[in-house]
Amino acid sequence: SQKIEQNSEALNIQEGKTATLTCNYTNYSPAYLQWYRQDPGRGPVFLLLIRENEKEKRKERLKVTFDTTLKQSLFHITASQPADSATYLCALGGLIKAAGNKLTFGGGTRVLVKP
Amino acid sequence: DTEVTQTPKHLVMGMTNKKSLKCEQHMGHRAMYWYKQKAKKPPELMFVYSYEKLSINESVPSRFSPECPNSSLLNLHLHALQPEDSALYLCASSQANGRYEQYFGPGTRLTVT
Repeated sequence: SQKIEQNSEALNIQEGKTATLTCNYTNYSPAYLQWYRQDPGRGPVFLLLIRENEKEKRKERLKVTFDTTLKQSLFHITASQPADSATYLCALGGLIKAAGNKLTFGGGTRVLVKP
Repeated sequence: DTEVTQTPKHLVMGMTNKKSLKCEQHMGHRAMYWYKQKAKKPPELMFVYSYEKLSINESVPSRFSPECPNSSLLNLHLHALQPEDSALYLCASSQANGRYEQYFGPGTRLTVT
């Protein structure tokens, strides 16, 4: 069965450093991968989307890589700030037979940026 | 306007009650979704509507009944729920069902007593 793994342990990082989060998957060939941020008690907020034929995407201080051979995505937050503290979710997307596209979320990694 | 709104914010209902959750978006999106999220777990897809038609039902029990009255509105009708159905119910929308980002609402915190 499909499995999406994110580091379940919280990532504690000093302000100004780069946070690197991993998302590994098995038994899946996603057409695209997305990263979301979720704060406690709130809905997820979209950050980045990367397609299966893309290697890297950037947006401001965020960078995501996608390696379909390793079945892994890395998510980087550079020059981290305390406001970046949140849970980060990776989500794999693809077509379910002919029914439509579905996003499947990983368990999320909590990031805590200390001043 | 990039907002998805959900009402109510909180809902407490007994196992014999009937209630409805509502979701609205005015971004012109043609795909809308219901997710269920338990504490410290990721969102799990329940239903997908594409162009107002139900396209995906993730084997959700019939006590949950979705409805899409028009392209801006999505409802989730609840009946005879169980305590284990207590969770955060999230609505989302996207431009279409496919390689597009999803915009999530704040969710409805449901408690079944």
